[in-house]
Amino acid sequence: KNEVEQSPQNLTAQEGEFITINCSYSVGISALHWLQQHPGGGIVSLFMLSSGKKKHGRLIATINIQEKHSSLHITASHPRDSAVYICAVRLRGSTLGRLYFGRGTQLTVWP
Amino acid sequence: EAQVTQNPRYLITVTGKKLTVTCSQNMNHEYMSWYRQDPGLGLRQIYYSMNVEVTDKGDVPEGYKVSRKEKRNFPLILESPSPNQTSLYFCASSFRADYQPQHFGDGTRLSIL
Repeated sequence: KNEVEQSPQNLTAQEGEFITINCSYSVGISALHWLQQHPGGGIVSLFMLSSGKKKHGRLIATINIQEKHSSLHITASHPRDSAVYICAVRLRGSTLGRLYFGRGTQLTVWP
Repeated sequence: EAQVTQNPRYLITVTGKKLTVTCSQNMNHEYMSWYRQDPGLGLRQIYYSMNVEVTDKGDVPEGYKVSRKEKRNFPLILESPSPNQTSLYFCASSFRADYQPQHFGDGTRLSIL
């Protein structure tokens, strides 16, 4: 069983739509990462969160520790946002540096 | 330019022939990690290193070895590769383990026949 579950697995949107990608985890965590994998395969680190909310441009990441849930929102989506979005967590009590990954959400934004 | 460099980018080889995938970073990062990515399974951590001479197992360490003799380099060694190690491999580094961002290499696609 994967400790980290992402939903949806696939998401298609029209340009301009508001996007939400979800990540839930089954045990306590001390940090959560959001990554973006471009169609060419390159991976970029977007956010690291342990509480609250972070914003960078049109991307917003939130986390609710009690509900064991994080969301990644994209406002005014654009075709260049098409990518796989990956959530990763460090479990509370595990060694620093040990990460567990969700299986990713494939986002396609059509013009 | 700050970067994580992996070599080779692509390799096709045969079962049992030892190979090394190199990973080098020029940012003086303490933390480095190796991941493999497989369809339907996503990314999984193989090994990671908190600093020179400090390495630890991730999710799927079987069949792999690593070493961290210098801060900039973190090679991944497959002593006796097998077909189930055919995968896309990524190396990454960050200033420290829980620091953002983690910088990723471009990936190494290994095919083991």
